[in-house]
Amino acid sequence: DSGVTQTPKHLITATGQRVTLRCSPRSGDLSVYWYQQSLDQGLQFLIHYYNGEERAKGNILERFSAQQFPDLHSELNLSSLELGDSALYFCASSPGRARGTGANVLTFGAGSRLTVL
Amino acid sequence: AQKITQTQPGMFVQEKEAVTLDCTYDTSDQSYGLFWYKQPSSGEMIFLIYQGSYDEQNATEGRYSLNFQKARKSANLVISASQLGDSAMYFCAMRVAFGNEKLTFGTGTRLTIIP
Repeated sequence: DSGVTQTPKHLITATGQRVTLRCSPRSGDLSVYWYQQSLDQGLQFLIHYYNGEERAKGNILERFSAQQFPDLHSELNLSSLELGDSALYFCASSPGRARGTGANVLTFGAGSRLTVL
Repeated sequence: AQKITQTQPGMFVQEKEAVTLDCTYDTSDQSYGLFWYKQPSSGEMIFLIYQGSYDEQNATEGRYSLNFQKARKSANLVISASQLGDSAMYFCAMRVAFGNEKLTFGTGTRLTIIP
C-alpha cells in the first residue's frame, strides 16, 4: 500500500456521461498530480495541485476539471465522456514543491481504470 | 521542453542475470532530476531510484543502480541478479528543477525474466 488512495478502482460508463475520480494523498503530502495512461498516449500529465492551488496544467481536455480540497484530497471530473477517454487514471502525491534537484518523489496510487462504452 | 527516450520496447532476460534498461533524455536545463518507476501487471507505479543532475555518484538502491552519464544524457537502469518478480514495465522520467514540476515519462520498456 503506497498510502495514496484512489477510488473507484474500476469504472464502466457510457459515452456522454460524467464521472468523478477521487484521490486521498499520502499523509503529510501537499502536492497532488493527476496522470492519464492509455495505450496510444502513454503516461500523460494532466494537472498538479499544491496545498489547494492549481500549480500546472498539462494535456488536460476542457471536458476535464479537477480540484484539491482543504483536507488535501483531490477529485478529477471527466464529463461528456468519449470512447478515447478510456484509460488508467493515476493520482500521485509528493511532500511539497520541487526545489532545485531535490527528489520530491511522486508516490502513485493504484489507479482508477475507466472504461467508456 | 523535456523529452525522455526509451528505445527498448521489450527485453527478455534469464533469471539471475544482470539487465540494463536504456534511457536518454533531452533538456536544456542544467538542474534536473531523473527517476525510474516499475509498473507490474497489477498496474501500480512503484518508485525505484532517483538521480539528481548534480549528484556526483551514481545512485544505488539495493539491486538497482542508475548508470548516469551526463555528457551523453543517459540514465540507464541496471538491475543486478534479476528475479522473476522483476518482470514488469519500467519507466524512466525526468523533472527539471525550475518551472513546471511535473514528471515527463518515457514510453517504457517491458522486461520479462525467463526462469
